[in-house]
Amino acid sequence: DAGITQSPRHKVTETGTPVTLRCHQTENHRYMYWYRQDPGHGLRLIHYSYGVKDTDKGEVSDGYSVSRSKTEDFLLTLESATSSQTSVYFCAISELGGRESSGANVLTFGAGSRLTVL
Amino acid sequence: GIQVEQSPPDLILQEGANSTLRCNFSDSVNNLQWFHQNPWGQLINLFYIPSGTKQNGRLSATTVATERYSLLYISSSQTTDSGVYFCAVVISNFGNEKLTFGTGTRLTIIP
Repeated sequence: DAGITQSPRHKVTETGTPVTLRCHQTENHRYMYWYRQDPGHGLRLIHYSYGVKDTDKGEVSDGYSVSRSKTEDFLLTLESATSSQTSVYFCAISELGGRESSGANVLTFGAGSRLTVL
Repeated sequence: GIQVEQSPPDLILQEGANSTLRCNFSDSVNNLQWFHQNPWGQLINLFYIPSGTKQNGRLSATTVATERYSLLYISSSQTTDSGVYFCAVVISNFGNEKLTFGTGTRLTIIP
């Protein structure tokens, strides 16, 4: 997975419990992203980070929070999981931001984390 | 908002056939990428192609930025080409870093 590790890879939890997904990279890339993938929706951006302690919201950020205290780690937290958050979550990294006209903004994805909320 | 539409949604082909996948987008872009998601869920970047044409083996891609579309060509399809193909864009005028994905084309190659 080209220097990206997601954990856990699979998790089953109950409604109302907190959940944290971790993304760890060894590439020293500045940008990190969390996407969710659901049937019929493709991939939708939840949050992204453009540096340590610098984060911004994506299109489906409600119910999620993130933290980035180190370059290599980007955490996604569901404070109180709901059934609508059952999904496959993908972390991605890039060296540069999306606006840069350079191949260095190419996204590299982790293997995904499948979350089931009962 | 940003519209990214892919067609066809599903495509079933015999091994050895050629295919063309299309991505239409609603505004000028400065970043367009094609991805392949294999049947095991892994997402792999195929091309970074905000304009022009690129080729990589049996795959090639062309983006006509002025007409707001991109095409992905797969020649001499193999069963390993099966999966879902996504295009993703960053709209030039939005001033942000976020890639927006289309809903994908599911390609099935039959032996």
